[in-house]
Amino acid sequence: ETGVTQSPTHLIKTRGQQVTLRCSSQSGHNTVSWYQQALGQGPQFIFQYYREEENGRGNFPPRFSGLQFPNYSSELNVNALELDDSALYLCASSLEKGIDTEAFFGQGTRLTVV
Amino acid sequence: DAKTTQPTSMDCAEGRAANLPCNHSTISGNEYVYWYRQIHSQGPQYIIHGLKNNETNEMASLIITEDRKSSTLILPHATLRDTAVYYCIAPSDQTGANNLFFGTGTRLTVIP
Repeated sequence: ETGVTQSPTHLIKTRGQQVTLRCSSQSGHNTVSWYQQALGQGPQFIFQYYREEENGRGNFPPRFSGLQFPNYSSELNVNALELDDSALYLCASSLEKGIDTEAFFGQGTRLTVV
Repeated sequence: DAKTTQPTSMDCAEGRAANLPCNHSTISGNEYVYWYRQIHSQGPQYIIHGLKNNETNEMASLIITEDRKSSTLILPHATLRDTAVYYCIAPSDQTGANNLFFGTGTRLTVIP
């Protein structure tokens, strides 16, 4: 089975621009979550997708949006980038959205906003 | 999620057991205890989870007290590669196991 893969690994954007980050979930996993990790802090939950529908959202503004495709891969879109959006963005997939299942994380996309 | 409390940092000698404590006194009956770790610059890695009974896998053991208010993650023979930040998480049974509140975790340093 393949693991969770994210692309690109690194990205530099200018304030005000838009960015799209991509995630391929582990084979058979229908639930994908996105997290933001600022330097020196733990990951923060952005939102979760289950079978192509948003299924929970953390404390992030609407300019953070996402998609999940029929093959369960996912995208994170961030509009109107701000300097504080500079962070490691992590994608995690799980077999189901229930409570008794582990999440598998990708290696992340390091976004720098200048 | 139930609130969890962990020490900020711990040291462990290489080859010895590393015992990482976690308090989760507000955990509800349906909430599992999960442990993840994050090695520098990598994505978090699942270690183990449990509900009531003690659990063991190839990476670690999880000991949960009978009242479920605390738990201990045990790495039986710590190696330098176990140096990482370890997170104890008790996700809500309403939001599921991929909606995780990581907190600050315990920074474990394995010393040669």
